[in-house]
Amino acid sequence: EAAVTQSPRSKVAVTGGKVTLSCHQTNNHDYMYWYRQDTGHGLRLIHYSYVADSTEKGDIPDGYKASRPSQENFSLILELASLSQTAVYFCASSGTGGADTQYFGPGTRLLVL
Amino acid sequence: GDQVEQSPSALSLHEGTGSALRCNFTTTMRAVQWFQQNSRGSLINLFYLASGTKENGRLKSTFNSKESYSTLHIRDAQLEDSGTYFCAAEPGYQNFYFGKGTSLTVIP
Repeated sequence: EAAVTQSPRSKVAVTGGKVTLSCHQTNNHDYMYWYRQDTGHGLRLIHYSYVADSTEKGDIPDGYKASRPSQENFSLILELASLSQTAVYFCASSGTGGADTQYFGPGTRLLVL
Repeated sequence: GDQVEQSPSALSLHEGTGSALRCNFTTTMRAVQWFQQNSRGSLINLFYLASGTKENGRLKSTFNSKESYSTLHIRDAQLEDSGTYFCAAEPGYQNFYFGKGTSLTVIP
């Protein structure tokens, strides 16, 4: 059974609208991450969290907010979606901060029109 | 600039042959992880290394932190090995930097 799940798996949003992507893990991991992948590129870190109720900025946080209401759940929020945020978004979890394998969810394909 | 340089960007292999993928790092990394992204877009863990070499079936990976590189060797390539391979390296304890990937096509 999948240990990191994401919802929705795909979404079409309008420019200026609010989008929330959700991630749930059953690995009992402390660390959770949000990445985006653009066509033909690797992944880039948006936000991460190492404990509930706390989030940290990654390399490309502008235009995104994150929320970690519990150890199992981590959300990525686009308050005002823009065309440039069209991408595939991956959530991941790991047991410790970078000193451990990251396990990825299946990804969410977001299209902003 | 990019902290992880991955090569080659694309590779074609005939079934049964092998090759090596490489990641060079522009800064000291403490660990590296290799993934395969399959045709459905899923990221499959292959290896996590803090040093040395690991082997799993037809795959072998080495990480040399002093010389700032990691390699992934594929031998006896099979059709299901097709996909994009990424390395991700961590300079500290809270972040991974991804390479741009190697697109592998295995030809029957």
